[in-house]
Amino acid sequence: DGGITQSPKYLFRKEGQNVTLSCEQNLNHDAMYWYRQDPGQGLRLIYYSQIVNDFQKGDIAEGYSVSREKKESFPLTVTSAQKNPTAFYLCASSNGRSPYNEQFFGPGTRLTVL
Amino acid sequence: QKEVEQNSGPLSVPEGAIASLNCTYSDRGSQSFFWYRQYSGKSPELIMSIYSNGDKEDGRFTAQLNKASQYVSLLIRDSQPSDSATYLCAVNKNTGFQKLVFGTGTRLLVSP
Repeated sequence: DGGITQSPKYLFRKEGQNVTLSCEQNLNHDAMYWYRQDPGQGLRLIYYSQIVNDFQKGDIAEGYSVSREKKESFPLTVTSAQKNPTAFYLCASSNGRSPYNEQFFGPGTRLTVL
Repeated sequence: QKEVEQNSGPLSVPEGAIASLNCTYSDRGSQSFFWYRQYSGKSPELIMSIYSNGDKEDGRFTAQLNKASQYVSLLIRDSQPSDSATYLCAVNKNTGFQKLVFGTGTRLLVSP
C-alpha cells in the first residue's frame, strides 16, 4: 500500500516541551512538505524539502525544526519557542520539483498544548 | 488582498443539483491549480488539477480555468450528500518549485 503516514494521530504537550511529529512516505517522492492548519485559515507552509539532506523554511518556520536524512522520512519538531502550537499538522509529498506535480497529504497530527 | 480567495460559505445545494465553487488568485504568473476536498477532521484529498485555460472533466467534477480573469472554479454535477465537505483551492506560484498557496476553503452542504 503506497501512501503517507503520520504519527501520532493526536498529541498532547505541556507548555515548554519539544515534541516531534513523524512523517513517512513510500511513494518514492523527492519533495516533502509540512503545513499547519488553524480554524478559519488556509494551510500554511512551515518547511519543505526538495531532496535528501536539504530543506528550506516556509512562511511560518519560527519555532519549528526539521531534518531530511532519508528520502522517505521528514520529521517535524515543534519547539518550546513556538508560541501557539495548537493546530492540525499536515505532511505532504510530491514527485519532483515541477510546479505541475501534485501534492498528496498524510492523515495529519492534531497537536494540543495543555 | 489575499493571494487565493474563496467564499467561506456555506454553499447549500439540494441533492442532484450542480454545485459551483469559485476561487480567485492574485499572482498572474501562477502555473497550476488544484482542488482538494477536506472532510471535517480529516486531511485534504486531491480531486482535480488544471493547468491550461478551459475545462477539465473527471466524472462528476469539472474544473474551469480562466487565467486572464485569474479565477478557477469547480463544478460538481449531481451533488450527493457525501459531497458535503470543505473544498480547498490551491495555486502554485511561479517560484520554480512546487509551492502551493491555499485558500481558506468553501464549505459545501448537500441536503437530501
